[in-house]
Order: sequence, then C-alpha cells, then structure tokens
Amino acid sequence: DVKVTQSSRYLVKRTGEKVFLECVQDMDHENMFWYRQDPGLGLRLIYFSYDVKMKEKGDIPEGYSVSREKKERFSLILESASTNQTSMYLCASSSSGTQETQYFGPGTRLLVL
Amino acid sequence: AQSVTQPDIHITVSEGASLELRCNYSYGATPYLFWYVQSPGQGLQLLLKYFSGDTLVQGIKGFEAEFKRSQSSFNLRKPSVHWSDAAEYFCAVGGVPSNDYKLSFGAGTTVTVRA
Repeated sequence: DVKVTQSSRYLVKRTGEKVFLECVQDMDHENMFWYRQDPGLGLRLIYFSYDVKMKEKGDIPEGYSVSREKKERFSLILESASTNQTSMYLCASSSSGTQETQYFGPGTRLLVL
Repeated sequence: AQSVTQPDIHITVSEGASLELRCNYSYGATPYLFWYVQSPGQGLQLLLKYFSGDTLVQGIKGFEAEFKRSQSSFNLRKPSVHWSDAAEYFCAVGGVPSNDYKLSFGAGTTVTVRA
C-alpha cells in the first residue's frame, strides 16, 4: 500500500515564525502535491513537484515555498507565518502519467497565533 | 478553467437508506473525474474514478458513480448507507491538457448518518 506521511498532525506557531511541513512517500512516486483545506472551499493546490528539484505553482502559492531535494520528500515552507495561514495542510503523491490517482497523507492542522 | 460544484454542503441520511451526492463540473473536453472520502481526522481516500469507457463506475465500500456528459455530472450513490459512511466527500476533476497533474476539487459534502 502507498503510504504518505506528514511530520506533524498538529502544529501551533506564532505570527512571523518560519514553519516547515514535511511530507514523505514510500512508493517512488514522481509527483508530489501540497494542498490546503478550508471549510467551504475544499482543497486548493499550493504547489506541486513532478521531479526532484522541480516545482510549479498551484492556485494559491503566495506566502509559501517548497523544496524537493529527494524524490520521496516534499517540504512546504511558510517563510513568515500569518494568521490567515491557519488551515489543514494535506500532502499527496502520484506516479507519473496523466491523472494517476493521488494518495494523501493524514494532514497537518496548523494554528498560527 | 475547470471547476467543480457540489451543490449540497450537508446531507443527513438514515442508516440503511440510499445516498446520492451531486457533482457538476465545468470542463471543455472529456474530463477525468474522481470521488474521494475523508473520514474525521484522516486524509483523503479514493472511492472511484472515471477516465473513459463505461459511464457507470464501481468503487470501494459499495459506492458507484455515473458520468453523464449531457448534464456535466458525476453523481455518487450508495444503495444502503452504514454508520461508518459518515464523512466528508469530495468530487474532483482533472485532465486539462496543460495541467495534467492537477486536480480541481469541489467544496465537499458532509454526510451525517443517523441511527
């Protein structure tokens, strides 16, 4: 079974802090994704990566950056956390090819005070 | 741009009753369509997907969905709901040629199952 793990289930940070969210997948998938989930808005894509060191902006990249130094690991970085970044963050991965199934991690619920 | 609408924010259904969740999409060509389920405190799990072929798709946990091109719909159904089906359900669409890896998600429908 595909397994996508996220470093924290819950995280509390202060405004202005730099925040790292880590995601690791164990199925040698080429594609990895970061979404944020907010009530009434569904999932919105922040960034995705289709190869090591490659990244593309999603629909809401402002205030975020990403890093993919190894194939299995995709990090989301909040350079200076703000209260409007309080949300649930979901990581996903998929194999290459058009619209392969995305497999999701359990999510990190981030609270920025 | 592609988009997904789930008209029902919240549905309450009795255990053993049938369930239908609506999904409408906007997309210029034949889309790739997905239904995911999210149980409380969990990530998303794929229920089923449609790429081509038979328009009635069978998924896990007894769910099925029907693609209707004329109505731009991909509604999810289950004949008899179990208490464990209480969750949030997301419809997603993909397949835009320039965005092969991306999915657009609906806002979700929360399902409550009463005894």
